[in-house]
Amino acid sequence: KQEVTQIPAALSVPEGENLVLNCSFTDSAIYNLQWFRQDPGKGLTSLLLIQSSQREQTSGRLNASLDKSSGRSTLYIAASQPGDSATYLCAVTQGGSEKLVFGKGTKLTVNP
Amino acid sequence: DAGVTQSPTHLIKTRGQHVTLRCSPISGHKSVSWYQQVLGQGPQFIFQYYEKEERGRGNFPDRFSARQFPNYSSELNVNALLLGDSALYLCASSFDPYEQYFGPGTRLTVT
Repeated sequence: KQEVTQIPAALSVPEGENLVLNCSFTDSAIYNLQWFRQDPGKGLTSLLLIQSSQREQTSGRLNASLDKSSGRSTLYIAASQPGDSATYLCAVTQGGSEKLVFGKGTKLTVNP
Repeated sequence: DAGVTQSPTHLIKTRGQHVTLRCSPISGHKSVSWYQQVLGQGPQFIFQYYEKEERGRGNFPDRFSARQFPNYSSELNVNALLLGDSALYLCASSFDPYEQYFGPGTRLTVT
C-alpha cells in the first residue's frame, strides 16, 4: 500500500528566504508525482507535475525534483513571499490508476 | 475556460440525512474523481469515473455512491450521514491520464 509522508508538518520562515519542502513515498513504482497548493478552506491548485521519467520540473520560483529510486521528491521555493503562505501537498499516482495518494501536507507561513 | 465547478459551496445536514454533491469538469475532460478531506489531513480518494463508468473506488462504505452523466458532470451521494462525514469534498477532472485539476470543494457539516 502506497504511503506518502511530508516533512516538516509546518514551517515558518522570514520573507525572502529560500526553502525546501520534502515528500517521500514507500512504493517507487509511481506513474507521476504532483505538487499542489491549498489555501485555507479552499480547493487544490496544481503547481507542478513530474512524470516518472523526469527528474525535475520548474515553474517560476518553484522547482520540484524527483528521485524515484529513493522514493523522494523536493519542492524548492526561491525568494519566498507572504503570498506563498499556504499548505503544500504532494501526491503520487501509480500505473493503471488515476487515484492520487496524498501526504498530509506542509503548512508554510512566510512572515513579512 | 472555466475550471472545475462544484455545488453547493457549503452544506449543513443532520445525522441520518442524505446529501448530493455536484461537479462539472473542465470542458473536454472525460474523467472525474472525488476526494474527501477531513481537517488536517490530505485528501482521500473516493471514486473515479471515466466515460460514465466507474474506474476506481476507495475504501469508503456503501453509503457513498456516485455517477457520471453523458455531459461528464458527476454527482456524489452520501446516505445515512454520520458526524464523521463532515469534511471538504473535492472533485477533480482530467484529460490526459493522471494530471488532475481540482474544484473549490463543497464543505459538508453534519450535526
